[in-house]
Amino acid sequence: DGGITQSPKYLFRKEGQNVTLSCEQNLNHDAMYWYRQDPGQGLRLIYYSQIVNDFQKGDIAEGYSVSREKKESFPLTVTSAQKNPTAFYLCASNLAGYTSSYNEQFFGPGTRLTVL
Amino acid sequence: AQKVTQAQTEISVVEKEDVTLDCVYETRDTTYYLFWYKQPPSGELVFLIRRNSFDEQNEISGRYSWNFQKSTSSFNFTITASQVVDSAVYFCALRGSQGNLIFGKGTKLSVKP
Repeated sequence: DGGITQSPKYLFRKEGQNVTLSCEQNLNHDAMYWYRQDPGQGLRLIYYSQIVNDFQKGDIAEGYSVSREKKESFPLTVTSAQKNPTAFYLCASNLAGYTSSYNEQFFGPGTRLTVL
Repeated sequence: AQKVTQAQTEISVVEKEDVTLDCVYETRDTTYYLFWYKQPPSGELVFLIRRNSFDEQNEISGRYSWNFQKSTSSFNFTITASQVVDSAVYFCALRGSQGNLIFGKGTKLSVKP
């Protein structure tokens, strides 16, 4: 079945450690996105990528890094520079191009990161 | 600037009641796209509907209906005869200039039996 997978589902990190969240899609979508969700808040954009080997900062990129070496994969690294990383992280994708505004975004199941 | 406001933080109803979730948006674009998503306790966002700015026709899908009014910049969502399975957080969103979605803070709906 086509969809987006994220792993792990739960992740615990000690302060000062970098961790990488995985996001894979088999929908043949060009565009991929990372959002962060805090309790009682909407989703906020961290990074996005419209094409392989290219990505752009979103609204809250500080303390995060990404790569887009393959169309299917868009991993997110939460670095030690991120001051408050405990949150729920959601990966999304959609078709790019002239239909991109119209098409809905598909979301993965999310990764819940907790800093100990 | 683009912005989505969902003023209702939490709503609690009893099963079979009708409930309306409000969404007000701000954008300077003449063409824009609005979305509603449902987030059940599992966390994954489920797409419900999209609406483009040049189609003001209201839409009904089973117990769900949406009222889009450009004059008041609103895109409200009504659930008729609510059920316990409707309990979730509902997000209204506006498509941003980079293809991303700009979300409201969500409305948590609790439907009690």
